[in-house]
Amino acid sequence: NAGVTQTPKFQVLKTGQSMTLQCAQDMNHNSMYWYRQDPGMGLRLIYYSASEGTTDKGEVPNGYNVSRLNKREFSLRLESAAPSQTSVYFCASSVSPGTGGYQPQHFGDGTRLSIL
Amino acid sequence: TQLLEQSPQFLSIQEGENLTVYCNSSSVFSSLQWYRQEPGEGPVLLVTVVTGGEVKKLKRLTFQFGDARKDSSLHITAAQTGDTGLYLCAGAGLDSNYQLIWGAGTKLIIKP
Repeated sequence: NAGVTQTPKFQVLKTGQSMTLQCAQDMNHNSMYWYRQDPGMGLRLIYYSASEGTTDKGEVPNGYNVSRLNKREFSLRLESAAPSQTSVYFCASSVSPGTGGYQPQHFGDGTRLSIL
Repeated sequence: TQLLEQSPQFLSIQEGENLTVYCNSSSVFSSLQWYRQEPGEGPVLLVTVVTGGEVKKLKRLTFQFGDARKDSSLHITAAQTGDTGLYLCAGAGLDSNYQLIWGAGTKLIIKP
């Protein structure tokens, strides 16, 4: 069972370079999310896509763009990388937010990104 | 701004001991989830609690949602080395089903 697949697993960039982080899920989920995880700060939502064709800003969207390519794929782009964007990036998916409770989010294994 | 504070931030105990991890907020949540994360992997859901006062058990793990739905606890009985990991709580706000509010996590190490 693949679940949520993220590529690449590791990446080192120089300040000012651009790159796209890829995410794909095979669970037929409607909603997808991009988070960053920094030591002592928990997970912070960058962007999310409630359903195919829609994207919305999360808590920390500055410096990032996203594309919901289709129901399976949700990519995150850094246009001009900065050292402050050094972090571990996680993609997640869920069936959809449910009434009366919250659907679980299923996470990939992360991309460890260093900006020099 | 809604915040979830987890305590302790770090806990190292011997195998066989009991422990409790706390997740506190001044805000009310519609539901709260607990996840465990192991090094090099993403978080994995352990449980979701929805009703104030709700208690859920998962083998040796007991989860409780506060009566006012502002706080939660995770109690582990007779900890095992396999319980080692980062425990994260995440709350769903009353006005948003999309943005979970995440605690910073409790890093738990169980020594043999």
